[in-house]
Amino acid sequence: AQTVTQSQPEMSVQEAETVTLSCTYDTSESDYYLFWYKQPPSRQMILVIRQEAYKQQNATENRFSVNFQKAAKSFSLKISDSQLGDAAMYFCAYRSGGDNYGQNFVFGPGTRLSVLP
Amino acid sequence: EPEVTQTPSHQVTQMGQEVILRCVPISNHLYFYWYRQILGQKVEFLVSFYNNEISEKSEIFDDQFSVERPDGSNFTLKIRSTKLEDSAMYFCASRRGTGAIQYFGAGTRLSVL
Repeated sequence: AQTVTQSQPEMSVQEAETVTLSCTYDTSESDYYLFWYKQPPSRQMILVIRQEAYKQQNATENRFSVNFQKAAKSFSLKISDSQLGDAAMYFCAYRSGGDNYGQNFVFGPGTRLSVLP
Repeated sequence: EPEVTQTPSHQVTQMGQEVILRCVPISNHLYFYWYRQILGQKVEFLVSFYNNEISEKSEIFDDQFSVERPDGSNFTLKIRSTKLEDSAMYFCASRRGTGAIQYFGAGTRLSVL
């Protein structure tokens, strides 16, 4: 079974600074997807960024980028120019690829990010 | 932008009562999911649904739980006899096809008293 680990329960960053959230995962599969979801106090799950395992290029979405190290099974999220609205719980998630009808997500335990003014 | 809609946003019920949580997935999506998040804990997979049947379920999804797509648009999660430990945020998600992103609803907070 796949597992996702986030070793930082809490992180803080100064507004306008850069922060990196860590995620590692364990799988024997070669075809899969990785995601970062943001959960603000409203508890809605908002997709931040995703990465296909077959792509070597790291995904980027505006101020958010990932460092995907497939061999090391590492998938960290970098937030540049942090804003107060970035404060939230961040979940790393794994999903199997291929012809698998279930393809449910496996979530990490989350990292609570605080942004300091 | 299309979105997954969940109702109600907050449901309060007495222990032992039946509850039905409702979800309207995005209209052209084919795969549907329910997840649960107990307060302060991680999001856990409950069940996936495709082609009008359950495709996968977790250990959490025992005989007290059932899912249904009664009319081609709604996707419901029923808990037959709620327990205190069922108190959690329940998220519905849907996706269009293989490789596509799962879109989550805003969640229903279930409080069992």
